[in-house]
Amino acid sequence: GAVVSQHPSRVICKSGTSVKIECRSLDFQATTMFWYRQFPKQSLMLMATSNEGSKATYEQGVEKDKFLINHASLTLSTLTVTSAHPEDSSFYICSASGLALKGETQYFGPGTRLLVL
Amino acid sequence: KNQVEQSPQSLIILEGKNCTLQCNYTVSPFSNLRWYKQDTGRGPVSLTIMTFSENTKSNGRYTATLDADTKQSSLHITASQLSDSASYICVVSANFGNEKLTFGTGTRLTIIP
Repeated sequence: GAVVSQHPSRVICKSGTSVKIECRSLDFQATTMFWYRQFPKQSLMLMATSNEGSKATYEQGVEKDKFLINHASLTLSTLTVTSAHPEDSSFYICSASGLALKGETQYFGPGTRLLVL
Repeated sequence: KNQVEQSPQSLIILEGKNCTLQCNYTVSPFSNLRWYKQDTGRGPVSLTIMTFSENTKSNGRYTATLDADTKQSSLHITASQLSDSASYICVVSANFGNEKLTFGTGTRLTIIP
């Protein structure tokens, strides 16, 4: 199947700093990338959908100025958590989809564990 | 409101035994139903994906069923192994032009030796 990577796999930062998470599709062109957040023992919650070259669409309740998403190329999307606070500590997972993919339409990355102190 | 409910919430079985996980959904318009395995601290990995016309699909020791009339699905695991310990998530896709996934809360499966 298609491969999606995330970097870093885990990050610890101080409150008030910004953190950037990268999501890459390694063997296909991702026209759309999705960013999810998962709190302990809960399911994945969609934060935003980004199409290459256009602005991301955010889900209700997700602050677009706090969670900056850039999808500048067909293989890379970034999520920047600005002025992170302890309540932003979570597991962030991206997924990617592309027109060339058959059957499965979204492939998930391995996730990034963010801990804000 | 689109919803996916899974049961049981957690399950513990002995290695080598079989088990069945359940998923009920109210998602419209239905596009497909997937089962994912998520190890702790990892992203979800796809096990099966079924469209409206498919009743059953297998992937090794995993067999998923779908009843589109009753909007129910099950995931049967045969001859469980310790490595099967994970969360199993039922995900239903609705197609609004852009695909929209609705996630269940998962079943936490623990296999004990």
